[in-house]
Amino acid sequence: GAVVSQHPSWVICKSGTSVKIECRSLDFQATTMFWYRQFPKQSLMLMATSNEGSKATYEQGVEKDKFLINHASLTLSTLTVTSAHPEDSSFYICSAVGTSGMISYNEQFFGPGTRLTVL
Amino acid sequence: AQSVTQLGSHVSVSEGALVLLRCNYSSSVPPYLFWYVQYPNQGLQLLLKYTSAATLVKGINGFEAEFKKSETSFHLTKPSAHMSDAAEYFCAVTPIQGAQKLVFGQGTRLTINP
Repeated sequence: GAVVSQHPSWVICKSGTSVKIECRSLDFQATTMFWYRQFPKQSLMLMATSNEGSKATYEQGVEKDKFLINHASLTLSTLTVTSAHPEDSSFYICSAVGTSGMISYNEQFFGPGTRLTVL
Repeated sequence: AQSVTQLGSHVSVSEGALVLLRCNYSSSVPPYLFWYVQYPNQGLQLLLKYTSAATLVKGINGFEAEFKKSETSFHLTKPSAHMSDAAEYFCAVTPIQGAQKLVFGQGTRLTINP
């Protein structure tokens, strides 16, 4: 149980285009999902917290107009990188926290990540 | 505010030797603590977690960690390293109450020598 998937697992796009990454909780409902960015050989940097049915909360320094997050249902959150540039190339990872009754202790279940390369 | 410091960005041990990855935390409130493992080009997998119950926590793949409040530490150990343990390891902290944000350490790359 507690499986999180991401799609696509990797994507290459041209500079100036937009890319959408999906994060799904497959066997549980997630009221909260998190989006992280990870540069090579570095730790995870939290970009935003996504709550179902409300606007995402962005961390300081993260452009909300560039990284659009939509948490439309209890099992799906999407991250859209708009007008992508080479510096947006990175590994994007999502995680999900279950609703009450699930495993608690603030445990996050992580997706496998999406590698974005912008040419 | 919370923070996590992992001492040593790179640890190298021989196969069969003891693995010790260090994690110190700073938290103004009682914390939950986690160790995650990341294999290349993959997401994070939970190894173990401390949730204010037993201070010695056993996880998957033979790993364990001990919560020491007096030392504000949560070091990860494994008695005998295996080649498959080679990966990146992250320590993380979150408060018991309130926000669910995880604060990660900078990570420690574990290399196993044959």
